[in-house]
Amino acid sequence: NAGVTQTPKFQVLKTGQSMTLQCAQDMNHNSMYWYRQDPGMGLRLIYYSASEGTTDKGEVPNGYNVSRLNKREFSLRLESAAPSQTSVYFCASRPPDRGSYEQYFGPGTRLTVT
Amino acid sequence: GQQVMQIPQYQHVQEGEDFTTYCNSSTTLSNIQWYKQRPGGHPVFLIQLVKSGEVKKQKRLTFQFGEAKKNSSLHITATQTTDVGTYFCAASFGNEKLTFGTGTRLTIIP
Repeated sequence: NAGVTQTPKFQVLKTGQSMTLQCAQDMNHNSMYWYRQDPGMGLRLIYYSASEGTTDKGEVPNGYNVSRLNKREFSLRLESAAPSQTSVYFCASRPPDRGSYEQYFGPGTRLTVT
Repeated sequence: GQQVMQIPQYQHVQEGEDFTTYCNSSTTLSNIQWYKQRPGGHPVFLIQLVKSGEVKKQKRLTFQFGEAKKNSSLHITATQTTDVGTYFCAASFGNEKLTFGTGTRLTIIP
């Protein structure tokens, strides 16, 4: 049971390049999330998916797209990277609603855009 | 949007001293969670508080949820070097999303 996995761990992009961050969970969770973490800003929600086939915007969705490929996988795409997207990106998942909103986080992707 | 204020931003304590971080919201919360993130790591869930006035303990950690469900605190008694990290509160306003506080970074002076 690997939990939440993310690839890649590190990435350097030039301004204007595109890339997709991959996330997968093997815990049969319904809900999945993408956050970015910047110094002094905490974690800010980019997009989330409450179930397979649905996605919704979070607090900072501009410049990103997501795909909930199946129940296990939730990817985040940067179509045209900008230096302002330099950040640490975390994927998280949550079990089916039993009164707990606990989220399980992946190890993160450290992205630098030059 | 809905925000959660967390203070202080940084706390440096001597090993063995106590530590407290506070979260405040202007809006009533459905529940609040606390996470710990070690340097270079990812957030790890510590606890969830749901009921008004709830107090929960985990060894040296005490978590409180305010009577009005608008504030919460995490208190660590007699800090140890293993407590180093950033502590985040994360609030639910009754929907799928969590709103994270900005975190309190705890450093321990041995």
